[in-house]
Amino acid sequence: EVLLVESGGGLVQPGGSLRLSCAASGFTFSNYWMNWVRQAPGKGLEWVANIKKDGSAKNYVDSVKGRFTISRDNAKNSLYLQMSILRVEDTAVYYCAGGLGYVMDHWGQGTLVTVSS
Amino acid sequence: DIVMTQSPDSLAVSLGERATINCKSSQSVLSSSDSWNYLAWFQQKLGQPPKLLIHGASTRESGVPDRFSGSGSGTDFTLTIDTLQTEDVAVYYCQQYYSAPLTFGGGTKVEIK
Repeated sequence: EVLLVESGGGLVQPGGSLRLSCAASGFTFSNYWMNWVRQAPGKGLEWVANIKKDGSAKNYVDSVKGRFTISRDNAKNSLYLQMSILRVEDTAVYYCAGGLGYVMDHWGQGTLVTVSS
Repeated sequence: DIVMTQSPDSLAVSLGERATINCKSSQSVLSSSDSWNYLAWFQQKLGQPPKLLIHGASTRESGVPDRFSGSGSGTDFTLTIDTLQTEDVAVYYCQQYYSAPLTFGGGTKVEIK
């Protein structure tokens, strides 16, 4: 069974940092593109970033460029999102999602990040 | 960036009737190299993560009921739910994966009339 489990969310002050993790199991992690997608409370889905199977290519939405860094450790079957200079508008549930190409066919349950003073 | 526009924002359909959701992209998501439309549809039920229903504009994922179908090409796409069931109440999103940044439509909420 494919399983993606996010962790690391929580309450952080504006300007602070947080590192999200996503543990993968049940599939060959190193064959998958991996993504972070977020959803602000009561709002729609927003793609945040993705990373190629071997980590050699990364893409970001403009609003997080220079503040967020996506990375992966294929030996640990894990995906990460280092978030810094956090803003109130970064408050959201963050999902990790993956697929053999850009299609996101497997999703985790999400972890909530709240940026507030 | 490719902007995805869905319509309507919400719709109420009687049980057993058809629901139709439209999605328009600001640029074509049809690849000239492989003739593939890089368009996916997701279903999100309350309190759950999104679930991939369709990719390639019309290819249904394994296990997705055949009452769900996708159509369209280039910039105009449709998700159709035939014979709506209670378990189909959800928000539906289209998403282009033709180019980064990947982008979603705003969502369409489907309810029972």
